[in-house]
Amino acid sequence: NAGVTQTPKFQVLKTGQSMTLQCAQDMNHEYMSWYRQDPGMGLRLIHYSVGAGITDQGEVPNGYNVSRSTTEDFPLRLLSAAPSQTSVYFCASSWVQPPYEQYFGPGTRLTVT
Amino acid sequence: DQQVKQNSPSLSVQEGRISILNCDYTNSMFDYFLWYKKYPAEGPTFLISISSIKDKNEDGRFTVFLNKSAKHLSLHIVPSQPGDSAVYFCAASLRETSGSRLTFGEGTQLTVNP
Repeated sequence: NAGVTQTPKFQVLKTGQSMTLQCAQDMNHEYMSWYRQDPGMGLRLIHYSVGAGITDQGEVPNGYNVSRSTTEDFPLRLLSAAPSQTSVYFCASSWVQPPYEQYFGPGTRLTVT
Repeated sequence: DQQVKQNSPSLSVQEGRISILNCDYTNSMFDYFLWYKKYPAEGPTFLISISSIKDKNEDGRFTVFLNKSAKHLSLHIVPSQPGDSAVYFCAASLRETSGSRLTFGEGTQLTVNP
């Protein structure tokens, strides 16, 4: 049981490049989400999904796309990277019932130059 | 607007003493509150939660108190240990949206000195 896995751990991109951050969970959780963590700003929700085929925007969705074709996978796509997207990205999953405990992956540290 | 706020960026306590981390919120519709702990270079891990219909929940050395009239919650760690040194985030779940959507505070860096 691996929990929530994320790849890659580190990534450096040039402005304008695109990439996909991978996230997978093996707990059969309905809910999956992507957060970014920036100094002094806590964790901010980018996109989330309550099940396969269903996605919605969080607080800071601009510049990011997601899809959910299976229960297990929830990739995050950066279409044209910008320096403002330099951050640490966390994927999380949970059941949709209380107490809504989310399980987090180890994170991807992204730098855009 | 910042619906969940942790006003203290850092807290330093002595080993064996009590650590009290605070969190304020503005939205009275939040139905669950959770605390997470985060070590450097790792993802956050769940610590303890409390339903909005309760005012206290205890798990070993960790107790969370909820004061709904003041829209305030706190996490007490007794006794504090050096291994508790980490960033602590409070989070809240909003009843009207998907039950799992959480809003996080900015985090408080706790340092427990030996």
